[in-house]
Amino acid sequence: DIQMTQSPASLSASLGETVTIECRASEDIYNGLAWYQQKPGKSPQLLIYNANSLHTGVPSRFSGSGSGTQYSLKINSLQSEDVASYFCQQYYNYRTFGGGTKLELK
Amino acid sequence: QVQLQQSGAELVKPGTSVKLSCKASGYTFTSNHMNWIKQTTGQGLEWIGIINPGSGGTSYNVKFKGKATLTVDKSSSTAFMQLSSLTPEDSAVYYCARERYSSLTYWGQGTLVTVSS
Repeated sequence: DIQMTQSPASLSASLGETVTIECRASEDIYNGLAWYQQKPGKSPQLLIYNANSLHTGVPSRFSGSGSGTQYSLKINSLQSEDVASYFCQQYYNYRTFGGGTKLELK
Repeated sequence: QVQLQQSGAELVKPGTSVKLSCKASGYTFTSNHMNWIKQTTGQGLEWIGIINPGSGGTSYNVKFKGKATLTVDKSSSTAFMQLSSLTPEDSAVYYCARERYSSLTYWGQGTLVTVSS
């Protein structure tokens, strides 16, 4: 099974700041990676697929990058509506989620 | 528009089974695989398994083999997940999610399952 290690588990940032969340796979997942945002009490929503492709309707301040076993999600110019939990998910071999990152405002 | 409407919250006793539903609308049900995901309160997401609504073919996370059974009813565009031999550790929110190009583009609203005597 492919394991996904996400960091940090929690993050506090100020409005306008740039935030980066990392995911490390236990083996090469060949860009088979998605990022999701989940707000309290809501279902997760797709942000990024194929490691770096922005899903329809997602603001351009979100971006994904990486390759091999190392991937990251960057949020530029943090907005109040970005307060949420974020999860990575690999789909190269079955599906596995990372442990999540809870993003709060400082 | 694409919608996945999940069944309502369940309060069930340990040792019993429960069958959750996920009714799809707004697209051709057999065109996209359906995933099921578990989320415990305040915790992360666990992938349970996937079903091809067209063929009925399934794949499961090894952790959920024997616990979850995925089926579909094409006539009603509904996916089902049966959870058996329930324990308090099965208490969670369960989501169905439609897959497109392997990522989960649409999610149901979730079904809360509480296992308690």
